[in-house]
Amino acid sequence: AQTVTQSQPEMSVQEAETVTLSCTYDTSESNYYLFWYKQPPSRQMILVIRQEAYKQQNATENRFSVNFQKAAKSFSLKISDSQLGDTAMYFCAFMKSGAGSYQLTFGKGTKLSVIP
Amino acid sequence: DGGITQSPKYLFRKEGQNVTLSCEQNLNHDAMYWYRQDPGQGLRLIYYSQIVNDFQKGDIAEGYSVSREKKESFPLTVTSAQKNPTAFYLCASSIRGLQGSNQPQHFGDGTRLSIL
Repeated sequence: AQTVTQSQPEMSVQEAETVTLSCTYDTSESNYYLFWYKQPPSRQMILVIRQEAYKQQNATENRFSVNFQKAAKSFSLKISDSQLGDTAMYFCAFMKSGAGSYQLTFGKGTKLSVIP
Repeated sequence: DGGITQSPKYLFRKEGQNVTLSCEQNLNHDAMYWYRQDPGQGLRLIYYSQIVNDFQKGDIAEGYSVSREKKESFPLTVTSAQKNPTAFYLCASSIRGLQGSNQPQHFGDGTRLSIL
């Protein structure tokens, strides 16, 4: 079974600054996907970024980027130029790759507050 | 616009009563999922379905039931056997990607269920 650990229950960052959210996971799988989801106060889960484990290059999506360290089983999210709209819960999630893979395993989340 | 619609947004259950949460998607996705979210917790998988007329139990299926009679619809019934149903429930869907693996899940806005 897979586990996902987010060690920072809450974090805060000044507007326009950069913040990094941590995520570690445990798995015996060699091929898998990792995701960061954002849940704003409206409670909708929004996909922020995804990384395939077989790709060495770190994924980026505009102001969001990841630092994927496969050997260390680490998958941190960096938010640059933080905006007030980034205030949300952030969840790291794992999914096995391959036929029939379906289940997302989530961490418990990090509550990020962006301060004006 | 394509998306996932969950209804109702808020639902109240009396003791001993079954209630059904609706989830409809017009994204033409094959797979659908139900998650439960409790305060301070990540999402936990209740049930999932990869094709019509087929569904599988997730990690916390006890006290819940589902059906998948149509591709677009995946209703969740919270039965009286679920002794602690108060939670936020999220429905998700995904397409089947290459080699049968599922792609990132897209979520609805959720239903908050409370006990009267």
